[in-house]
Amino acid sequence: GENVEQHPSTLSVQEGDSAVIKCTYSDSASNYFPWYKQELGKRPQLIIDIRSNVGEKKDQRIAVTLNKTAKHFSLHITETQPEDSAVYFCAASKVTGGGNKLTFGTGTQLKVEL
Amino acid sequence: DAGITQSPRYKITETGRQVTLMCHQTWSHSYMFWYRQDLGHGLRLIYYSAAADITDKGEVPDGYVVSRSKTENFPLTLESATRSQTSVYFCASSESAGGGETQYFGPGTRLLVL
Repeated sequence: GENVEQHPSTLSVQEGDSAVIKCTYSDSASNYFPWYKQELGKRPQLIIDIRSNVGEKKDQRIAVTLNKTAKHFSLHITETQPEDSAVYFCAASKVTGGGNKLTFGTGTQLKVEL
Repeated sequence: DAGITQSPRYKITETGRQVTLMCHQTWSHSYMFWYRQDLGHGLRLIYYSAAADITDKGEVPDGYVVSRSKTENFPLTLESATRSQTSVYFCASSESAGGGETQYFGPGTRLLVL
């Protein structure tokens, strides 16, 4: 089955700096890659996703890049703010007519320091 | 987010007891999922369902049973709880594959098995 590795496990940045979180996946047939943000004690919430026919996607301060050849994808957060502090999870899946089973990475604890 | 709910939110039980965690969604989403979240493991899929009366195993199904007699409900039962099943359990739903892959998570149930 799919295996997703995520690095780093913790990341501390100064407010205003950029943060990058990287994930690799094992199944070359995976074609959907979402990123979730989870604040302490809350549910995971989707912040951005990318499909395998696209190399990059941006949404304001957040961007995701995908390298299908190397089987890795990354989350980029620019101009970090204290409210960006949370745990971020990457995931991968092979979306078919039979559904969308996500395999998650182990998470990155992002701390934005003032 | 209010469209998917879980109950109870907190549960303490003893080893060997049967426990049922409830999940209810109001969106008429076809797909529903159960994940467990443990430190160091991220989110791991227990079971999923593509429609009423259609369920399948995920990555860690042992010790769990699911059913889905109605589209909106997807209960998860621990037939004989063990301490290793102490975890936070999240239910999720998605509309469909092919453009409706986004999984929306419920608020979670914190389960402690003594």
